[in-house]
Amino acid sequence: EVLLLESGGGLVQPGGSLRLSCAASGFTFTSYSMAWVRQAPGKGLEWVVSIAGDGGTKDYADSVKGRFTISRDNSKNILYMQMNSLRADDTAVYYCAKPGSNTITSGRGFDFWGQGTLVTVSS
Amino acid sequence: DMQMTQSPSSLSASVGDRVTITCRASQGVNNYLAWYQQKAGRAPKLLIYGASTLQSGVPSRFSGSGSGTDFTLTISSLQPEDVATYYCQKYNSVPFTFGPGTKVDLK
Repeated sequence: EVLLLESGGGLVQPGGSLRLSCAASGFTFTSYSMAWVRQAPGKGLEWVVSIAGDGGTKDYADSVKGRFTISRDNSKNILYMQMNSLRADDTAVYYCAKPGSNTITSGRGFDFWGQGTLVTVSS
Repeated sequence: DMQMTQSPSSLSASVGDRVTITCRASQGVNNYLAWYQQKAGRAPKLLIYGASTLQSGVPSRFSGSGSGTDFTLTISSLQPEDVATYYCQKYNSVPFTFGPGTKVDLK
């Protein structure tokens, strides 16, 4: 059974930093790209960042470029996202998501999602 | 920038009704189009990928169609458990943009 378990959310002041983790199990983690998707309170879904299975290719939404960094530890099956220079509009539930194929552009959408972790940026 | 739009933004329908949601991309997405269902307080769930392929375990009352820039999600007979917000997403290239969502509730 595929499981994705996010952690690391919480309350942080504007300008602060936070690191999110997503522990993956039930599939060959290193074979799959992974992504973070967020949802601000009462709003829609926003793709934030994705990373290739080998960690080589990383793509970022313009809204987080230069502030967020995605990484992965394939020996531990953990996906990370380091968030710096946080702003109020980064307040959201952050989901990690697994594509249905090895890469996101291979054609099967995101077939498994974690339960999400809430990040609140406020003074 | 690439834009995804959905219509309507919300709808109310009765149990047993046929429901249709439309998604439009500002540029062609080569059928790399997925539909998700999100119930209140829950993570999204994949319903359809490749514009028309039903994800394993999803009831057959859900179907997807379309190509290029115009896509449709249809619920053939609305059930109470289908109350949710539905999102389309393109994934042919970055950014993997979602539509703004369509909220479906019962009349």
